[in-house]
Amino acid sequence: QKEVEQNSGPLSVPEGAIASLNCTYSDRGSQSFFWYRQYSGKSPELIMSIYSNGDKEDGRFTAQLNKASQYVSLLIRDSQPSDSATYLCASSGSSASKIIFGSGTRLSIRP
Amino acid sequence: DAGITQSPRYKITETGRQVTLMCHQTWSHSYMFWYRQDLGHGLRLIYYSAAADITDKGEVPDGYVVSRSKTENFPLTLESATRSQTSVYFCASSERGYEKLFFGSGTQLSVL
Repeated sequence: QKEVEQNSGPLSVPEGAIASLNCTYSDRGSQSFFWYRQYSGKSPELIMSIYSNGDKEDGRFTAQLNKASQYVSLLIRDSQPSDSATYLCASSGSSASKIIFGSGTRLSIRP
Repeated sequence: DAGITQSPRYKITETGRQVTLMCHQTWSHSYMFWYRQDLGHGLRLIYYSAAADITDKGEVPDGYVVSRSKTENFPLTLESATRSQTSVYFCASSERGYEKLFFGSGTQLSVL
């Protein structure tokens, strides 16, 4: 079992709608969680980090963390075609010395 | 320029050859990481380093060797390349192991 699991998609969402991306993790001691966005042929870039239970909002993005359920999610409001990319969920695990990634979810925003 | 740089950008080699991928960062970050990315697998951690002369295995270390004699450099060596090591390799750094990663541009390696 991978430490971080994601649905690979593709997830297709109409423009202007809310895109919901989900991730689960297996290490209960994990402290830090991240969402990276990666465009085709490019390096991943951080869009959200979250460290405590609850919601964290940044513009059109909201990250949600539920440590009891070992679940992390990313909501993208008012989805734009420029949001079409692969979204990678990541966790530091309990060691807090390395970052492990899920396999990524490919998101497609249709006009 | 400041940042994290990888070289070469593209590399083609043959099975059995030794290949070294270079990674250099100018931020003096303590932590450095090597990942490989294959379709359907996301980013998989190969090796990481918490400081100079401290390295540790990640998820897929077999067939790879790393060293870190200086804080700013973290080369990755494939001792005897195999076709299964054809991949895109990303180097990354961070101030602490549980914080934001800064990625290089990647090296696309093809083993024929």
